[in-house]
Amino acid sequence: QVQLVESGGGVVQPGGSLRLACAASGFTFSTYGMHWVRQAPGKGLEWVAFTRYDESNKYYADSVKGRFTISRDNSKNTLYLQMNSLRAEDTAVYFCTKDYYGSGTYSAFDVWGQGTMVTVSS
Amino acid sequence: EVMMTQSPATLSGSPGERATLSCRASQSVSSNFAWYQQKPGQAPRLLIYYASTRATGIPARFSGSGSGTEFTLTISSLQSEDFAIYYCQQYNNWPRTFGQGTKVEIK
Repeated sequence: QVQLVESGGGVVQPGGSLRLACAASGFTFSTYGMHWVRQAPGKGLEWVAFTRYDESNKYYADSVKGRFTISRDNSKNTLYLQMNSLRAEDTAVYFCTKDYYGSGTYSAFDVWGQGTMVTVSS
Repeated sequence: EVMMTQSPATLSGSPGERATLSCRASQSVSSNFAWYQQKPGQAPRLLIYYASTRATGIPARFSGSGSGTEFTLTISSLQSEDFAIYYCQQYNNWPRTFGQGTKVEIK
């Protein structure tokens, strides 16, 4: 079955770094755009970053631009989010999710992982 | 950035009742619009995409309508499993943006 499994969350001090990973299975990972979406405790959903299937295009939320980097390894069916210069306001559950359409420009998010918690605190 | 505004913030309903949720975009997003359902401790689930197309496995009691800037999600007859938070989202522009959510609770 189609599945996304995040890992790498944890507790980190302000200014620290963390790398999240998302392992994909059950679909042809190398043909789908992928996203990271986060949710602060008790808050709504916030889109964070996107990479096209071939990494030719990447987009970021203004709140993370210059600090976070999205990447992927299609040979390992894995999506990454490198998070540097972390702030308290980055505390959230981070979900990876895939585009419904493989090569389309406009697509909803049809499969989500269970999320991994990132806590930024001293 | 396209702002998505959902109303109401909370909707109280009884099982069997009809529920209508609204979402307004700050500029046209054509039909590149989706609804998601989220239950406590779970990931969001795609309900509706392209404004009115039900995702795989979504019951027919869920329907979506609208285009441009005004969108509606209708649950024709609330079931116990429908009490959750619903988010709208536009995927016409970068950054992708979500509404703040509508909580559907039991009256």
